[in-house]
Amino acid sequence: LAKTTQPISMDSYEGQEVNITCSHNNIATNDYITWYQQFPSQGPRFIIQGYKTKVTNEVASLFIPADRKSSTLSLPRVSLSDTAVYYCLVGTGNTNAGKSTFGDGTTLTVKP
Amino acid sequence: NAGVTQTPKFRILKIGQSMTLQCTQDMNHNYMYWYRQDPGMGLKLIYYSVGAGITDKGEVPNGYNVSRSTTEDFPLRLELAAPSQTSVYFCASSYAVNQPQHFGDGTRLSIL
Repeated sequence: LAKTTQPISMDSYEGQEVNITCSHNNIATNDYITWYQQFPSQGPRFIIQGYKTKVTNEVASLFIPADRKSSTLSLPRVSLSDTAVYYCLVGTGNTNAGKSTFGDGTTLTVKP
Repeated sequence: NAGVTQTPKFRILKIGQSMTLQCTQDMNHNYMYWYRQDPGMGLKLIYYSVGAGITDKGEVPNGYNVSRSTTEDFPLRLELAAPSQTSVYFCASSYAVNQPQHFGDGTRLSIL
């Protein structure tokens, strides 16, 4: 299983861009990289998913270098409501495995 | 469309008691997962299922059992509750192994 490593915490201010990096040195060829957001007392919520290069949706961008050993979640112009824990998940592409490994997450605190 | 529904939301058990945490999804997803999340920590996979009748162990399966008789339901059974099983339990589902997971709101379980 690909183990992930993220910073424990990050601070930012409203309106700034925030970049959270996840290391996954043992990523397998078929693995995708998925990021989730979790608020207190709620289940994680999907943000973005990618396999290589860059992916962008209405809330975030995901940058994945060619070697795929890391990935960076980019949140443009954060607001107070973006204060949450962010998890990087590297899932196996093996059809019958279905095993997924969450890291300990990055607690992002956005200040006014 | 309710997504993933977990019951109960809260429960207090005595040591040695047993109980079943219920999880049902209405998205016709093949994959279902059970995670536990201890305070301030990430999610750890307990069991997962790739379809009706097929289940497999995750990272921390000891003390738990699961079954998957239908596509919709994936109950988690605690046979002899122990204080170490005090945690928040999340159920999730996905269409395929590399597709984003949809989470329920969790069951907060305390064992005294």
